[in-house]
Amino acid sequence: EVQLVESGGGLVQPGGSLRLSCAASEFTFSSFSMTWVRQAPGKGLEWVSVIGAGGSPPYYADSVKGRFTISRDDSKNTLYLQMSSLRVEDTAIYYCARKMNFGKYPVDYWGQGTLVTVSS
Amino acid sequence: DIQLTQSPSFLSASVGDRVTITCRASQGITSYLAWYQQKPGKAPKLLIYAASTLQSGVPSRFSGSGSGTEFTLTISSLQPEDFATYYCQQVNSYPRTFGQGTKVEIK
Repeated sequence: EVQLVESGGGLVQPGGSLRLSCAASEFTFSSFSMTWVRQAPGKGLEWVSVIGAGGSPPYYADSVKGRFTISRDDSKNTLYLQMSSLRVEDTAIYYCARKMNFGKYPVDYWGQGTLVTVSS
Repeated sequence: DIQLTQSPSFLSASVGDRVTITCRASQGITSYLAWYQQKPGKAPKLLIYAASTLQSGVPSRFSGSGSGTEFTLTISSLQPEDFATYYCQQVNSYPRTFGQGTKVEIK
C-alpha cells in the first residue's frame, strides 16, 4: 500500500522559514509527480505546488510563488517543501500527495498531513 | 486562473436520499475534473476523476457527470459513512484549483 508520511511542521514566527519533508514508500517514487496541498484551519483545500518526475519544471500557486520551493530526492524517496518569508496566512495542515499519472490527472494518495502554525 | 464554484455549500440530507452537488468552472476544462471526499481530521480521498471515472474501491452509488464548465457529483442513496465534505478540483491547467467545498450533514 502506498505510504506518504509528512514531517517538519511546527510553530514558526512570521518571516521565518521551515522545511517540510514527505517520505514515500511502496511505489516507484521517481516515476510519479508529487504535489503539496494545504488546508487552513476550518477552511477548504488549496493547491500549493507540484514537481514532475524526471526533472520537469515545478509549478506554484501565486500565493506562495517566490517564497516556497518544492524539490525531491529520488535516491531517498523524499519530497520537500522549503518555506520562507512565512506569513500568518500560511498557517495550515500541509499534505503531500501523489499524482496518479502523467498528464491531466488528479492525486490519488495523500499523507496524513503536518501542521504549520505561523504566529508570534 | 480557473475558478470553481460549488453549490450548495452546505446540504442537509437523510440516509437513503439522492444527493447532487454541482461544480461550475469559470472556463471550459473539457472533462478534466476530479471529486474528493474529506472526513473531519482525515486527508481527502479521491472518488472520481476525468469527470465520470470511478476510482478503484469507491462504491458505485457515487457517480460523476458533465463536461466543459458544468459538472455534478451524485450519491444515489446516501449512507451514514457518506456524511463528509466534498471538493471538486480541475486538473486542466495550473494552478490546480479546488472548489470551496460542500458539507453534507445529517438531517
